[in-house]
Amino acid sequence: NAGVTQTPKFRILKIGQSMTLQCAQDMNHNYMYWYRQDPGMGLKLIYYSVGAGITDKGEVPNGYNVSRSTTEDFPLRLELAAPSQTSVYFCASSSTTVPGELFFGEGSRLTVL
Amino acid sequence: KQEVTQIPAALSVPEGENLVLNCSFTDSAIYNLQWFRQDPGKGLTSLLLIQSSQREQTSGRLNASLDKSSGRSTLYIAASQPGDSATYLCAGSTDSWGKFQFGAGTQVVVTP
Repeated sequence: NAGVTQTPKFRILKIGQSMTLQCAQDMNHNYMYWYRQDPGMGLKLIYYSVGAGITDKGEVPNGYNVSRSTTEDFPLRLELAAPSQTSVYFCASSSTTVPGELFFGEGSRLTVL
Repeated sequence: KQEVTQIPAALSVPEGENLVLNCSFTDSAIYNLQWFRQDPGKGLTSLLLIQSSQREQTSGRLNASLDKSSGRSTLYIAASQPGDSATYLCAGSTDSWGKFQFGAGTQVVVTP
């Protein structure tokens, strides 16, 4: 059981470039989330999904897009990267049997220069 | 919007002392309250989840309580060990979808 797997772990982007952060879970969880963590701050929710084909915005969705075509995968797309998107991104998942118990990936550290 | 605050931002204790970490939140209609541990450069690990109908949870040396009326949660770690050194984050949600608001965390150092 790998849990929640995120790739890449590190990435440097130039301003205006685009990229996709990958997230996969093998626990058959319906709920998946993307958070970002800035230094000294708590995590902020970007997008979440309650099942395949269903996504919704969180607190800080601007500049990001998501899709959920399968239960396992929840990629996060950054369009036209900006320095303000420099952050550590965490993907998490949760089951419907214990709603709210979050399982996190190890994070993807993104720097936009 | 739920606001979650953790004070102090950092804490250092000698090994063997009991740790008391505080978390306050603004919306008393909190649904779930969860405590996490984060090691440097790593993801978050859920320690304890207090669900809407519960007032506390225990796991080994850890105990977390939730007082909705006062807007406070406390994480208690008994007989601290150097391996307990980490950042501890508190998070609260106001719905069943698992959308949590996080505090900034308390960085704990346990000295041998």
